[in-house]
Amino acid sequence: SQKIEQNSEALNIQEGKTATLTCNYTNYSPAYLQWYRQDPGRGPVFLLLIRENEKEKRKERLKVTFDTTLKQSLFHITASQPADSATYLCALGGAGNQFYFGTGTSLTVIP
Amino acid sequence: DAGITQSPRHKVTETGTPVTLRCHQTENHRYMYWYRQDPGHGLRLIHYSYGVKDTDKGEVSDGYSVSRSKTEDFLLTLESATSSQTSVYFCAISEWEGFAYEQYFGPGTRLTVT
Repeated sequence: SQKIEQNSEALNIQEGKTATLTCNYTNYSPAYLQWYRQDPGRGPVFLLLIRENEKEKRKERLKVTFDTTLKQSLFHITASQPADSATYLCALGGAGNQFYFGTGTSLTVIP
Repeated sequence: DAGITQSPRHKVTETGTPVTLRCHQTENHRYMYWYRQDPGHGLRLIHYSYGVKDTDKGEVSDGYSVSRSKTEDFLLTLESATSSQTSVYFCAISEWEGFAYEQYFGPGTRLTVT
């Protein structure tokens, strides 16, 4: 079965720095990969999607890369702010309409 | 929360009792999903629906059933609740965006089985 790993459960960084979150997967070839943000007590919120034939995608301060050879996606938040503190989830999507989620990385941006 | 509501938002029930959670959407999306979220496991798919009366099992479907009699409503039933079903349950909806599906989640239901 597919396995998705996100880097260390918690990541603390200083305000203004770039946060980099990692999503590694095995036993699956996703057609696309998504990143979601989840705040405590709330449902995940869709942020970005990157397709298998795309290397990089940007949206404002967010950047996602997708390396299908390494089976890895990196999610970057530049000029991080305390309001970026949340849990970030990656999800694999493929043929059909099912998704497989990672366990998430908790990001804390320290003022 | 993209026009998705879940009810109830919190529920405490006893082992062995049936429980039904409701998801209601106003987006007219074709696909609806039920997930559970537990520490260390992330989001796991229980059941999903691809149309009225069309449903299929997900990764952790044992002990759960679903029904969808209208586009806007997707019900999740725990036939006989067990303590292992204590979790936070999320409903999600999606639609085909030409090349992929983006999912929109409801606010969640926290279920405690005592």
